[in-house]
Amino acid sequence: GQNIDQPTEMTATEGAIVQINCTYQTSGFNGLFWYQQHAGEAPTFLSYNVLDGLEEKGRFSSFLSRSKGYSYLLLKELQMKDSASYLCAVEDSNYQLIWGAGTKLIIKP
Amino acid sequence: IAGITQAPTSQILAAGRRMTLRCTQDMRHNAMYWYRQDLGLGLRLIHYSNTAGTTGKGEVPDGYSVSRANTDDFPLTLASAVPSQTSVYFCASQAAAGDTGELFFGEGSRLTVL
Repeated sequence: GQNIDQPTEMTATEGAIVQINCTYQTSGFNGLFWYQQHAGEAPTFLSYNVLDGLEEKGRFSSFLSRSKGYSYLLLKELQMKDSASYLCAVEDSNYQLIWGAGTKLIIKP
Repeated sequence: IAGITQAPTSQILAAGRRMTLRCTQDMRHNAMYWYRQDLGLGLRLIHYSNTAGTTGKGEVPDGYSVSRANTDDFPLTLASAVPSQTSVYFCASQAAAGDTGELFFGEGSRLTVL
């Protein structure tokens, strides 16, 4: 079966760095997405990786290793507004998105 | 309208009632999707449409139906609601199915079936 694994919850301190991991087992691979979802709101796009390596976008970076079925989202200089759930999703061989359950990130002052 | 709009934002209905959740986008996106989101679970695909006039079943289609008469609208119908359909429903669109571009989500419809 297809499976996306992420930690359920993480806690970090304002100003620090946090890494949210995602491992996947899917029928084929056409790309990996990270979305941010604040409580009670819709998911919003953060990043897309299709090739191995690191993609940097401001305070957020996303890494992919296709051979390991592994990705991480790195958030630097954490701000209170970064408190949200972070969703990992993999596009399989049929271009269907398979979603992880999300990681709830709690930022403490 | 800017982006993708869902209605209603929240609804409580009795089991056995028929309910249609509306979704409209103005981005001329070809692909549209309906997901449900439940606590502790990832977004699960209910139905999708790659282009106007076509629809397909997702991971959890039972009890739901959709139509795609035109590019902009993609309503989701619960023919006879059951309590297990209590969830938050998100409509999403993408420029084209299989596109590497992002999905755009509506604000969600919170449905409670009693």
